Amino acid sequence: SQKIEQNSEALNIQEGKTATLTCNYTNYSPAYLQWYRQDPGRGPVFLLLIRENEKEKRKERLKVTFDTTLKQSLFHITASQPADSATYLCALANDYKLSFGAGTTVTVRA
Amino acid sequence: NAGVTQTPKFRVLKTGQSMTLLCAQDMNHEYMYWYRQDPGMGLRLIHYSVGEGTTAKGEVPDGYNVSRLKKQNFLLGLESAAPSQTSVYFCASETSGGAGETQYFGPGTRLLVL
Repeated sequence: SQKIEQNSEALNIQEGKTATLTCNYTNYSPAYLQWYRQDPGRGPVFLLLIRENEKEKRKERLKVTFDTTLKQSLFHITASQPADSATYLCALANDYKLSFGAGTTVTVRA
Repeated sequence: NAGVTQTPKFRVLKTGQSMTLLCAQDMNHEYMYWYRQDPGMGLRLIHYSVGEGTTAKGEVPDGYNVSRLKKQNFLLGLESAAPSQTSVYFCASETSGGAGETQYFGPGTRLLVL
């Protein structure tokens, strides 16, 4: 069966450190993968997209990697700030729909 | 632009009651989606639409119906609510599916079925 797994536990990190989130998948062959941010009580907001032929994508302090052999994407937040505290969702292209992971909650301590 | 809006924001229903959730977008997007989000689970697709007048089933369609009579609106109906439908419902829209476009989400509707 198809499965998307993100870090099962919440991530607590010190301000200024790098947070690394994992998204592993099975029985998917996504043409692209997206990462979204979700704050409590709000809808998800798009952050980054990476395609299957791209190894790495960056946007400001965010970096995403995509390894189709390992079936894994890593999401990095560098120089983290308390404002980065949120839940981060990975989403895989599935036909012309998206399939979402359950998300990883990140808390950045000042 | 308001983006994607959802009505209502919160609703309490009794088992067996019916209701309609409204999603509206002002971005002229072709594709629209209804998801539910439950604790510890990812967003699960209920129904979606690839254009005005079209609808299709997603991953968890049972107990729900949808309509897309106008391009900007996507309605989600619960004919006979059950406690298992207690959830947060999100609507999303996208320019066109499958090409790596961004999905834009509404603020969500919290539904409690007693």
